[in-house]
Amino acid sequence: GQQLNQSPQSMFIQEGEDVSMNCTSSSIFNTWLWYKQDPGEGPVLLIALYKAGELTSNGRLTAQFGITRKDSFLNISASIPSDVGIYFCAGRAGSGTYKYIFGTGTRLKVLA
Amino acid sequence: DTGVSQDPRHKITKRGQNVTFRCDPISEHNRLYWYRQTLGQGPEFLTYFQNEAQLEKSRLLSDRFSAERPKGSFSTLEIQRTEQGDSAMYLCASSPRWGATNEKLFFGSGTQLSVL
Repeated sequence: GQQLNQSPQSMFIQEGEDVSMNCTSSSIFNTWLWYKQDPGEGPVLLIALYKAGELTSNGRLTAQFGITRKDSFLNISASIPSDVGIYFCAGRAGSGTYKYIFGTGTRLKVLA
Repeated sequence: DTGVSQDPRHKITKRGQNVTFRCDPISEHNRLYWYRQTLGQGPEFLTYFQNEAQLEKSRLLSDRFSAERPKGSFSTLEIQRTEQGDSAMYLCASSPRWGATNEKLFFGSGTQLSVL
């Protein structure tokens, strides 16, 4: 099935470092959602974005809706061990559908 | 707000058997989604309902798969004549009534299916 491209695929970082990841699409999207998933559990919603250029924060997490509407970015500041997990983006293309396409995921590992 | 509930959490079945999963969405959420996730991949869209109407279905959903939401509340996903390739996590999500800044998918914990 169709999936969005996420980069990087995985990353090891030191506790306290900032993390950046992105998600790109070949199509224009109207909504971007960012999720975190722990093993054996469903994805948990972190941030929702609804218009181009929008910047939204949730604690140490900040996400941006790219101005081209074909990408989105997630930053985590001052990472802590519990940030470990897989981060997924999801996008909705626009009018006529409420189908969300998910990214391939970024696996984050934090070294204490 | 009790969250999206899925039952069972785990299901082990033999190839060729039929299985049925249930999803109870968050109360008053009118859209309900089914996704499938295999190890190392992101969730893949299967289908979604708005109230009781099934509005979109992926080509991934073969003839052996059927989903229903008869009264616009809970939903079931049935897989007939299971195959080993059906082994995956089946995720359900629900979304509140449409609004410009209201689109959010909330997921359940999933049903892990293993086909032997």
